Amino acid sequence: DAGITQSPRYKITETGRQVTLMCHQTWSHSYMFWYRQDLGHGLRLIYYSAAADITDKGEVPDGYVVSRSKTENFPLTLESATRSQTSVYFCASRRGGDWVIDGYTFGSGTRLTVV
Amino acid sequence: DAKTTQPPSMDCAEGRAANLPCNHSTISGNEYVYWYRQIHSQGPQYIIHGLKNNETNEMASLIITEDRKSSTLILPHATLRDTAVYYCIVRVWPGGGSQGNLIFGKGTKLSVKP
Repeated sequence: DAGITQSPRYKITETGRQVTLMCHQTWSHSYMFWYRQDLGHGLRLIYYSAAADITDKGEVPDGYVVSRSKTENFPLTLESATRSQTSVYFCASRRGGDWVIDGYTFGSGTRLTVV
Repeated sequence: DAKTTQPPSMDCAEGRAANLPCNHSTISGNEYVYWYRQIHSQGPQYIIHGLKNNETNEMASLIITEDRKSSTLILPHATLRDTAVYYCIVRVWPGGGSQGNLIFGKGTKLSVKP
């Protein structure tokens, strides 16, 4: 089905492990984003990408790595997970160009727990 | 930091209009006002946006003051399913790079009660 999908929906990992969260969109949108959401902080931008092979930092990039070798995929990797990275992670996409009209579309989120 | 100020919470009776205020006193001429909402455990959902004219779509109406320093989102007949956190965001257009990014504040938690 067309849309933006995140996987897994839930993940428990141990401190120090590497974990990758996946995001896939079927619209060929130029822009993709990763946000995290924590109680008391709302949604904060981690990284974004304007196109394949173009990525840039958001508000809270430390401890995360992203890549975008294909337009439709934008994985987020925690190289060495810490308890402070326990959060709900949302991926989003938007078209380039007349994005004033379209706005963003968000995925359903990945709930990550680091123990 | 978010460029908007919203009340942290509001209540509304089912079937009545919900009026959610937002202050954006430092808004620039090329910044639009966007509204999103987030129903519990779901990703945020686009509702409406505007520059200076009032806007209406199938979900809501957006009233922007003439000086553009504040706006109000109106849900004309609130239902229990409208219970959510509502975010008011100002966003530059046109803007390349990070200027077009959505920066979320803490929003208003709207509780629609039977």
